[in-house]
Amino acid sequence: DQQVKQNSPSLSVQEGRISILNCDYTNSMFDYFLWYKKYPAEGPTFLISISSIKDKNEDGRFTVFLNKSAKHLSLHIVPSQPGDSAVYFCAASETGGTSYGKLTFGQGTILTVHP
Amino acid sequence: NAGVTQTPKFQVLKTGQSMTLQCAQDMNHNSMYWYRQDPGMGLRLIYYSASEGTTDKGEVPNGYNVSRLNKREFSLRLESAAPSQTSVYFCASKAGATGNYGYTFGSGTRLTVV
Repeated sequence: DQQVKQNSPSLSVQEGRISILNCDYTNSMFDYFLWYKKYPAEGPTFLISISSIKDKNEDGRFTVFLNKSAKHLSLHIVPSQPGDSAVYFCAASETGGTSYGKLTFGQGTILTVHP
Repeated sequence: NAGVTQTPKFQVLKTGQSMTLQCAQDMNHNSMYWYRQDPGMGLRLIYYSASEGTTDKGEVPNGYNVSRLNKREFSLRLESAAPSQTSVYFCASKAGATGNYGYTFGSGTRLTVV
């Protein structure tokens, strides 16, 4: 039972254009969402996050949008750069109770940005 | 600052052998986690330690044991390795078990069981 799904295994975009990575979740208890970026042979690194009380969070070229009613979030990268080529993981958590900071990850999307 | 250090980086085991994956963090974080990454599956939680002295099962704990040796170190043991445990293992730490402080991940251990 995959509670967090990234249905696009890969995405290819041209340098300078917008990259849009999508993520869907099923657990209505999730109230905090994160995106991680992973290069080969390295651990994931935190990119950007959003709380369920917001519908948008922006950090430089990266913007995350949250649609709670649709249980959908997306990461926009504008403009895309070749250095953005990596695997992007969507993750979700419940902030209260006995969650203990556990994250549930999606399968990942491989982003390739062509010069 | 090293952050989260995992050893070894690579390991090949024969079916039935045992080994311990080591993880240490130098950020004075309270919570530590072990995840495994498999193709098409993302990262799945094996075990976690919300604070020193406590451990608990995650989503896929079967075949593994853990020890929170002290605040810095959290080890993962495979008692009798199976080919299904071929994976990349990531250790992570976090300042607190509650709240939304981000994880810091190690660079991973690539384990192959033949």
